[in-house]
Amino acid sequence: QSALTQPASVSGSPGQSITISCTGTSSNVGRYNFVSWYQQLPGKGPKLLIYEDNKRHSGLSHRFSGSKSGNTASLTISGLQIEDEADYYCCSYAGGITFVFGGGTKLTVL
Amino acid sequence: EVQLVESGGVLVQPGGSLRLSCEASGFNFGDYGMHWVRQAPGKGLEWVSGVSWKSGTINNADSVKGRFTISRDNARNSLFLQMNSLRPEDTAIYFCAKEAGGSGYTDWALEYWGQGTLVTVSS
Repeated sequence: QSALTQPASVSGSPGQSITISCTGTSSNVGRYNFVSWYQQLPGKGPKLLIYEDNKRHSGLSHRFSGSKSGNTASLTISGLQIEDEADYYCCSYAGGITFVFGGGTKLTVL
Repeated sequence: EVQLVESGGVLVQPGGSLRLSCEASGFNFGDYGMHWVRQAPGKGLEWVSGVSWKSGTINNADSVKGRFTISRDNARNSLFLQMNSLRPEDTAIYFCAKEAGGSGYTDWALEYWGQGTLVTVSS
């Protein structure tokens, strides 16, 4: 149950696009089409953004998109806004009602 | 509106026990798998334990196997986590989370989360 690998931090300017990568293994990310992405604001519970690799949760802006190739998933945020500044976590289903999370990525909007 | 409210987090000594609760409302609790996820101070998210909608399938992270037990009471719309043999490294905010999906199926994502309850293990 090793954690998925994410960059510790990414940054971008308002209006730009950024991509956060998430690397797992053939036992999790590469095996199941169940990668999800979460946004966490300080002091709050996480909020689901993307599920099943690339499906947007209800009401989510089209500025957020998910993709996957092999053992690596990605979250892209286009048209960056100040309010996108948060921690982002990827997560993969790993079989047997278990999940594995990434270490988290802090997004700074400069 | 979906609401998940955790409770039971306190300061406890190493080796002690604690029972966390999560009260759910705003959805048909008995139709969804439920999970506990924790976050140590200043750290990332760690999946802890999960239970299917009728408790037929249960699993735990290796870090808590043999010490933590997840359970649910669908009649009371409640999820529980019994935590025994607590260690300082169990110190964290514990979140309960509802699986995404619908009646009888899951999208294998955690759709809604509570605000969490803080467990501190220290002498």
